[in-house]
Amino acid sequence: DTGVSQDPRHKITKRGQNVTFRCDPISEHNRLYWYRQTLGQGPEFLTYFQNEAQLEKSRLLSDRFSAERPKGSFSTLEIQRTEQGDSAMYLCASSLDGRDNEQFFGPGTRLTVL
Amino acid sequence: AQTVTQSQPEMSVQEAETVTLSCTYDTSESDYYLFWYKQPPSRQMILVIRQEAYKQQNATENRFSVNFQKAAKSFSLKISDSQLGDAAMYFCAREAYKYIFGTGTRLKVLA
Repeated sequence: DTGVSQDPRHKITKRGQNVTFRCDPISEHNRLYWYRQTLGQGPEFLTYFQNEAQLEKSRLLSDRFSAERPKGSFSTLEIQRTEQGDSAMYLCASSLDGRDNEQFFGPGTRLTVL
Repeated sequence: AQTVTQSQPEMSVQEAETVTLSCTYDTSESDYYLFWYKQPPSRQMILVIRQEAYKQQNATENRFSVNFQKAAKSFSLKISDSQLGDAAMYFCAREAYKYIFGTGTRLKVLA
């Protein structure tokens, strides 16, 4: 399977714990995006990378959130000191450079904070 | 604020019939891209159709077509000959290198 993969698919954690998610994009894609989707809502943009450079971060990405793409391949999204409001589906997408290029989405990581 | 609005939280269509999902958006740009994505239950989002704003011709992909009204900033999706497999959440998105999504429309297909 050469699509976008995300790990884990589900994560249950207690409030205050740290969690880390991983995204493996399609291999030749140089852009990688993170979105958050809460129940009944469309995905909301969090951040994106072009190769290893993080080019934009949404105001939704508080200082408890950090994302990396160290070698321009896979990416990690870490949430420190999780809160119940962080419970959501975290989606990763990748694309080739260019405005009209389709973003390919992964299956998402569903986070539940108890 | 640059927003995308889907005013129909839920729609139903009889199998083999036609349904239209509405989307309006806000932008100050003249050149941009619009997309419809489908998200089946517990499955990942897939692209249904895309439209380039500078093209006047409406995009078509098999049973899926759009009605793009640039002046009205409207981008509706028409699904013809609806099939049970079309049941899903449908999201309209405007591209601004990132996607700005609407809140989605849940489509139910009745047998």
